[in-house]
Amino acid sequence: NAGVMQNPRHLVRRRGQEARLRCSPMKGHSHVYWYRQLPEEGLKFMVYLQKENIIDESGMPKERFSAEFPKEGPSILRIQQVVRGDSAAYFCASSPRSGGSYEQYFGPGTRLTVT
Amino acid sequence: AQSVTQPDIHITVSEGASLELRCNYSYGATPYLFWYVQSPGQGLQLLLKYFSGDTLVQGIKGFEAEFKRSQSSFNLRKPSVHWSDAAEYFCAVGAGGNTGKLIFGQGTTLQVKP
Repeated sequence: NAGVMQNPRHLVRRRGQEARLRCSPMKGHSHVYWYRQLPEEGLKFMVYLQKENIIDESGMPKERFSAEFPKEGPSILRIQQVVRGDSAAYFCASSPRSGGSYEQYFGPGTRLTVT
Repeated sequence: AQSVTQPDIHITVSEGASLELRCNYSYGATPYLFWYVQSPGQGLQLLLKYFSGDTLVQGIKGFEAEFKRSQSSFNLRKPSVHWSDAAEYFCAVGAGGNTGKLIFGQGTTLQVKP
């Protein structure tokens, strides 16, 4: 059973460009979480999605960031008009159920560098 | 609001020595608590978790953690550290409700001296 897959693993964008980060959850998992890890910091929750629904986006910046988890295909985190402060590692996690008692399985992350 | 504090940013121990990483949380009800490990350039791997019941929980790689409600702590321990344990360790608490989102501490970087 393949783990959570994220691609690309490394992404370099110039200021003002768009970044698209993909996450394929583990087989059978329909709950996806995105977290951001800034340098020298812990992970911060961004958004929680189920298939075709955004359940909790309380950690998402109000502008330039969006996320989706379509019925078919991976979850996408999209950052428009990137700025240097967006440089970070973005981790996706999946879970078979919602709720605090279910383990989240993390992908290897996408490291975004904005030049 | 829920929060997690890991007081030690960096810890260095000698190989074979014992280890304790501290974690304090703030949460109104019985928390769901987790310890994750992150090797350089890698994702997070779950070491152990506490939901209820026995306050001493065993995890992978010889780690254990003890939940102490009176101290709002969930410290991670290992009796004898191996060089391969060098990594960053994160404590996390489940934020409650039905979303399951996690709130992480700042992390503790463990260095192991030969």
